[in-house]
Amino acid sequence: QKEVEQDPGPLSVPEGAIVSLNCTYSNSAFQYFMWYRQYSRKGPELLMYTYSSGNKEDGRFTAQVDKSSKYISLFIRDSQPSDSATYLCAMSSNTGNQFYFGTGTSLTVIP
Amino acid sequence: DAGVTQSPTHLIKTRGQQVTLRCSPKSGHDTVSWYQQALGQGPQFIFQYYEEEERQRGNFPDRFSGHQFPNYSSELNVNALLLGDSALYLCASSLGAVDNQPQHFGDGTRLSIL
Repeated sequence: QKEVEQDPGPLSVPEGAIVSLNCTYSNSAFQYFMWYRQYSRKGPELLMYTYSSGNKEDGRFTAQVDKSSKYISLFIRDSQPSDSATYLCAMSSNTGNQFYFGTGTSLTVIP
Repeated sequence: DAGVTQSPTHLIKTRGQQVTLRCSPKSGHDTVSWYQQALGQGPQFIFQYYEEEERQRGNFPDRFSGHQFPNYSSELNVNALLLGDSALYLCASSLGAVDNQPQHFGDGTRLSIL
C-alpha cells in the first residue's frame, strides 16, 4: 500500500465551478500537509501548508485536514482556466524531513 | 528575489554513464532536498542536505549521491545510469533549523537515458 493515495483524474470542470481534490494516507504519524500546483514542464509550486487537523483558507483555496479519517482536501472556488494544472498533495511526520507525495490530479478548467 | 535554480534544464545520457545535476537554493534558504519525478507520478524523495551533510535519505541506491557546498548550493550525482533513471529531477530548498519547513521547488532537470 502506498503511503499517500491520490486519484489521478483527469478532472474537467467549467469555469466558475468549485473543485474538490482529495488525498488519503495510511501513516497516522503524518502531521504536516501541503498542496502543490504543477504546470506542464515546471516545478511544483506551494499553494497551502497546514499542520495537524482543521481548515486553512487563502483566497480562492481552502485546505482541510481530517486526521481521524486520514483524509485531506483542497477546494478551489470560482475556478479559472489558469487553474488548469496537476495538483499534488504532500505530507510528512514530526520525526523527519521526508515529504511523501501523491501521484497528482490533473485538472482542466474549461472557459 | 531569486527562487530555486537548477542546471542544466535538459540532459541526454546513455546507459552506464555518470551525471551531475546542480541546484542553487532560494535566497535565505540553507537546506536542499532532491526528488525524482517519473512521468505521471509524484516526486519521490532522494535525500536532503543540511550543513553540508546528508541529513535524511529515501529509498534510493548508493548510485545516487550528493554534495552541499558552503554557499548552500548542491549537486546530485548518479553513477552507472539505467534506463529507469529517466525522469525529472527536482531540487527543493527550505530553512533547515526546524524540521518540516515548507519546501520550494525549482523547475527541474529532465534527464533522458538512451
